[in-house]
Amino acid sequence: DTGVSQDPRHKITKRGQNVTFRCDPISEHNRLYWYRQTLGQGPEFLTYFQNEAQLEKSRLLSDRFSAERPKGSFSTLEIQRTEQGDSAMYLCASTGTGVYSYNEQFFGPGTRLTVL
Amino acid sequence: GDSVTQMEGPVTLSEEAFLTINCTYTATGYPSLFWYVQYPGEGLQLLLKATKADDKGSNKGFEATYRKETTSFHLEKGSVQVSDSAVYFCALSEEAGTALIFGKGTTLSVSS
Repeated sequence: DTGVSQDPRHKITKRGQNVTFRCDPISEHNRLYWYRQTLGQGPEFLTYFQNEAQLEKSRLLSDRFSAERPKGSFSTLEIQRTEQGDSAMYLCASTGTGVYSYNEQFFGPGTRLTVL
Repeated sequence: GDSVTQMEGPVTLSEEAFLTINCTYTATGYPSLFWYVQYPGEGLQLLLKATKADDKGSNKGFEATYRKETTSFHLEKGSVQVSDSAVYFCALSEEAGTALIFGKGTTLSVSS
């Protein structure tokens, strides 16, 4: 399968712990996005990368959140000192040039985070 | 800031009924508009898009027309099927490749 993959699919953690999620975009896509979706809401943008450069961060991305894309391929999203309000589905998407249009973002299945 | 408002759900229809899901937007520029769909147990998928005023996006029998004068992008289908049951999200982006701004989603349930 050559779609966007995310790992893990589910994560349960205790308040105060750190968690890290991984996203592998479609091969050769140079833009990668992170969104957060809570129950009954649409996805909310967190941040995006072009290659390894982080081009935009939402004000939703507090100091406890950090995202990286060190080699311009996969990306990680880390949440430090998790809070119950961080419980959500974290979605990754990618898009790129060439045969892929920037106007279509391809989404992964998401990582569901539950903070107890 | 930019925003998207779509009709509250759930929408419950019988098979072969006509579907309309309303979507309006607020944007400072000339955004691209999208409808994404999330089938049960699956990830978000692009259903259709329109990049400029009066464009009509279409796919799988669904259509939506970019109406700049009414800032709307309503989703329609002439005859829904049980397999169309899903959550539908209207979205915009100010510039190609930048952040998508989503509405809250509308759940559609179609019964046979």
